[in-house]
Formats: sequence, structure tokens, C-alpha cells
Amino acid sequence: QVQLVQSGAEVKKPGASVKVSCKASGYTFTSYRISWVRQAPGQGLEWMGWITTYNGNTNYAQKLQGRVTMTTDTSTSTAYMELRSLRSDDTAVYYCARGDQRYYFDYWGQGTLVTVSS
Amino acid sequence: QSALTQPPSASGSPGQPVTISCTGTSTDVGGYNYVSWYQQHPGKAPKLMIYEVSKRPSGVPDRFSGSKSGNTASLTVSGLQAEDEADYYCISYAGSNNVVFGGGTKLTVL
Repeated sequence: QVQLVQSGAEVKKPGASVKVSCKASGYTFTSYRISWVRQAPGQGLEWMGWITTYNGNTNYAQKLQGRVTMTTDTSTSTAYMELRSLRSDDTAVYYCARGDQRYYFDYWGQGTLVTVSS
Repeated sequence: QSALTQPPSASGSPGQPVTISCTGTSTDVGGYNYVSWYQQHPGKAPKLMIYEVSKRPSGVPDRFSGSKSGNTASLTVSGLQAEDEADYYCISYAGSNNVVFGGGTKLTVL
């Protein structure tokens, strides 16, 4: 069965970076995009961007351009999302999701809480 | 891109139908048949309920249906059940390999 398993919770200071991993199993990793979505406490979902896993092409939300980098390791079927220059408003649960070419997300990771606090 | 517009809340009694709207523009909802809907219970990851406007993934009850007219997509839950109480989000393709999310609707079963 398809599974996306994310790394554990992180606590970071303002200005630091965080790298969250998302290990996929149960399907051919390079046949689907991986998207990243975050959710601040009590708020809605926010799309961060996605990576096309077979060639590494990325598309980032305009708001995060320059601070976010998405990568993959196809040998381990793992996707990574790195966010730099963290601010308090980056505190959120970060989800990875499998993205179909028809622009929907059919499987989601369990979420990773990133807390930014001094 | 601007977020899609959803009502902050909706409600209905058990067994009754309820519809949640998702309004965009001709460059997202109105321009493509790539609208999807997600259900999110507190503390849980979102779950795909509808894709490509009106298609239902395997395992999603048939009381959930989707439609679109112009720049507005809709999710209808017919025959509300207690477990349908959750937050619902719409997502639309917006061109140039971008997607745009709705702000979410909290559905309450009275």
C-alpha cells in the first residue's frame, strides 16, 4: 500500500534552517510528483510547491521563492524540503503529498511539526 | 495567485444535504477541470474526497459529490453523518504548473 512517512518534529531558532524528509513506499517513486503543503496552527492549508521526481524540476509558491528548496533521492524514494531563514510565522505542520499529473494529491504523509521559537 | 473563496462555515442536520462552494476565476476553477476536494479531521492529514471536479476515489462514500459551474466548484454531502464533521478544502490548478487552495470550510453536523 502507498505510504509517505515523514521525519519527526523539529524545534528551531529564528534564522535557522530545517530539512524535513518524506520516504515513499508502495509505488514507483518517479511516476508521481511530491508536493509540500503546510498548515499554521488553527489556519488553513498552504501550498509550498512540488518537485517532479523523475527529473528534479521544481515549482515553488511565489511567497517562498528563495527560501525553500525541494529535492529527492530516487535511490531511497525519499523527498526533502528545506526551508531557510526561519521566522516565527513558519511554525506549522508540514505535509508531503503524492501529486498526480492531473493536479490532485491522493496520498499524504502524517505531517511534521516545525516550531520556530527563540 | 489569490486563494479560492470558501465560506468559513457550513452546517446541516444528520440525513440532510449540505453544499460547500469554492469560487475562483477564469484562470483557475473556470479554466480547468482540475478541482479537487479534501476532508481534514482535527489533528489528521487531509484526505482526498473528489478529484477532477466530480470523480470519487475508491473508498469515498457516494454521498460525496462534486460539480462545477463557471468559476465556482461545489462539494455536496447528501445524507450528512456525524463523521462528516470536519474541515473541507478545495484546490484548483491555476496554470503554469501552479495550484491554488481554498481557505477551508468548517462543516458542523448539528
